[in-house]
Amino acid sequence: DAGVTQSPTHLIKTRGQHVTLRCSPISGHKSVSWYQQVLGQGPQFIFQYYEKEERGRGNFPDRFSARQFPNYSSELNVNALLLGDSALYLCASSLWDINQPQHFGDGTRLSIL
Amino acid sequence: QQQVKQSPQSLIVQKGGISIINCAYENTAFDYFPWYQQFPGKGPALLIAIRPDVSEKKEGRFTISFNKSAKQFSLHIMDSQPGDSATYFCAAIDGATGTASKLTFGTGTRLQVTL
Repeated sequence: DAGVTQSPTHLIKTRGQHVTLRCSPISGHKSVSWYQQVLGQGPQFIFQYYEKEERGRGNFPDRFSARQFPNYSSELNVNALLLGDSALYLCASSLWDINQPQHFGDGTRLSIL
Repeated sequence: QQQVKQSPQSLIVQKGGISIINCAYENTAFDYFPWYQQFPGKGPALLIAIRPDVSEKKEGRFTISFNKSAKQFSLHIMDSQPGDSATYFCAAIDGATGTASKLTFGTGTRLQVTL
């Protein structure tokens, strides 16, 4: 079975631009979460979506938004990019929303120039 | 309150030795504790997880020990191999907040297994 797939794998943007990152969960998984991992640190929680509804939001500014589609795939959008947004963006999926093992994709490496 | 503290930051172990990574937490509402392994350029991969009603869980060469009263848990890698060289993260989920599956990660331990 395919794991969590994310696209694109790498992306280079300039300050002020907008970016959309995409995630397809493991088949049958209904929950998708997004994390930001800055080099040398552990991932930080951004959002969780379950059944197309936002179930949790981390301490990130409103420039970050996300949505989940009927097929359970998800998009993460970041507006007005800042240099500090450079990071590995990880998507994780789980069967449902409560205390389930979360399985991560390999992420999108976003570089802001 | 939401922190998970992890040590050591880096670890060098000889092949065949035991690697031990420790984590401590303060939030008593944490009720699920997974460990992840991450190789360079890859996402974290779930290794093993434990719930606080169990003091130890073993899967192959990997064992989690959990001390609920001390609010500490650790990962033991027996017979460490060069292929185990990676960064390891402990994590915890607070199932009581309604924020569902928010993972709070430790700061990571870079493990190097030498020949």
